[in-house]
Amino acid sequence: TQLLEQSPQFLSIQEGENLTVYCNSSSVFSSLQWYRQEPGEGPVLLVTVVTGGEVKKLKRLTFQFGDARKDSSLHITAAQPGDTGLYLCAGFPVGGSNYKLTFGKGTLLTVNP
Amino acid sequence: DSGVTQTPKHLITATGQRVTLRCSPRSGDLSVYWYQQSLDQGLQFLIQYYNGEERAKGNILERFSAQQFPDLHSELNLSSLELGDSALYFCASSDDRENEQFFGPGTRLTVL
Repeated sequence: TQLLEQSPQFLSIQEGENLTVYCNSSSVFSSLQWYRQEPGEGPVLLVTVVTGGEVKKLKRLTFQFGDARKDSSLHITAAQPGDTGLYLCAGFPVGGSNYKLTFGKGTLLTVNP
Repeated sequence: DSGVTQTPKHLITATGQRVTLRCSPRSGDLSVYWYQQSLDQGLQFLIQYYNGEERAKGNILERFSAQQFPDLHSELNLSSLELGDSALYFCASSDDRENEQFFGPGTRLTVL
């Protein structure tokens, strides 16, 4: 059973469209992180959200942490081909180890020109 | 470039063999993490070392072992390889605060 469920698994859109991807769990997390991974490379951290209800913006990317700290979303405005990649959420569940980062399986986003 | 280096980039071997993957962390980082990424399981935490000592263990098989050396580089040893061990293996490092992990480019292991 996957502790962090990400949806959708695959998403293919046209340049300029908006999109939202989700990261859900039945467990509470002390914080959640979002990574982007491009082919042939390792994941790169985009943002960390810590407080329930927190919203963080990174240019065209908006990240939200659920009030109960069990879920998070990533919204991309006016997607560009450079946004193509695997988006992974990850976190430390409350009550678990502070050192074992748990990842979701990711959303593979393709932005077509 | 994350500053984390991994060698080799690709490795092709046969079932039953043993391989060693190497990782050099970012300068100054004391923690090293190993992950396995496969299509069906996603990115799975294997093990963490901090300044030469094992700190946390995940779903690491008994056939796998790791160590961190005094110069802080780390090696992941995989033995009695099976077809299902074919995957991407990532190393990551972090500093004392451990808030952010920096991932290397990975080693793609293919077991034939």
